[in-house]
Amino acid sequence: DAGITQSPRYKITETGRQVTLMCHQTWSHSYMFWYRQDLGHGLRLIYYSAAADITDKGEVPDGYVVSRSKTENFPLTLESATRSQTSVYFCASEGEETQYFGPGTRLLVL
Amino acid sequence: AQKITQTQPGMFVQEKEAVTLDCTYDTSDPSYGLFWYKQPSSGEMIFLIYQGSYDQQNATEGRYSLNFQKARKSANLVISASQLGDSAMYFCAMREDNYQLIWGAGTKLIIKP
Repeated sequence: DAGITQSPRYKITETGRQVTLMCHQTWSHSYMFWYRQDLGHGLRLIYYSAAADITDKGEVPDGYVVSRSKTENFPLTLESATRSQTSVYFCASEGEETQYFGPGTRLLVL
Repeated sequence: AQKITQTQPGMFVQEKEAVTLDCTYDTSDPSYGLFWYKQPSSGEMIFLIYQGSYDQQNATEGRYSLNFQKARKSANLVISASQLGDSAMYFCAMREDNYQLIWGAGTKLIIKP
């Protein structure tokens, strides 16, 4: 199906473990984004990518790593998960000046 | 300083009434874009409407319109003839000269039958 997908949709992990959240889009959009959403905050940008192999930090990048070897994929890795990284994570891609969002991944770090 | 302010944390509106959700923004950039997104209880983030800073007319998309008052730096979302399915969180966001969106804290809208 066309669009933007995220996996897994739900994840429970423990502190110190590495976790990778996947994001895939079928539009061939150049720009892709990772956000986190926490209660009391709007969305906060973690990382973004302008094209394959081009990534840059957003507002809250600490503790996260991204890569983009292919235009359609933009995985987000938590290298050593912490409880403060419990959140809902949204991936988005941009087309025609508008960002379109995936369904989100709910991550719980115990 | 807050760049996007949504002053209404929550609103109750009777079904079929029109509703206005407030959004004010702060930027010195002459070129910017303003967005509204809807987030229902299911959690997905749904794009509703976009207004560019140079657009002469207010944006409209079906029952959604954006009341853009540039001098006042406001970009209020108007939903006409509200429906029960409009109950959701609504977020206002702004983009300046890069691709980063700056988000407001959101307004929770509840439509009463």
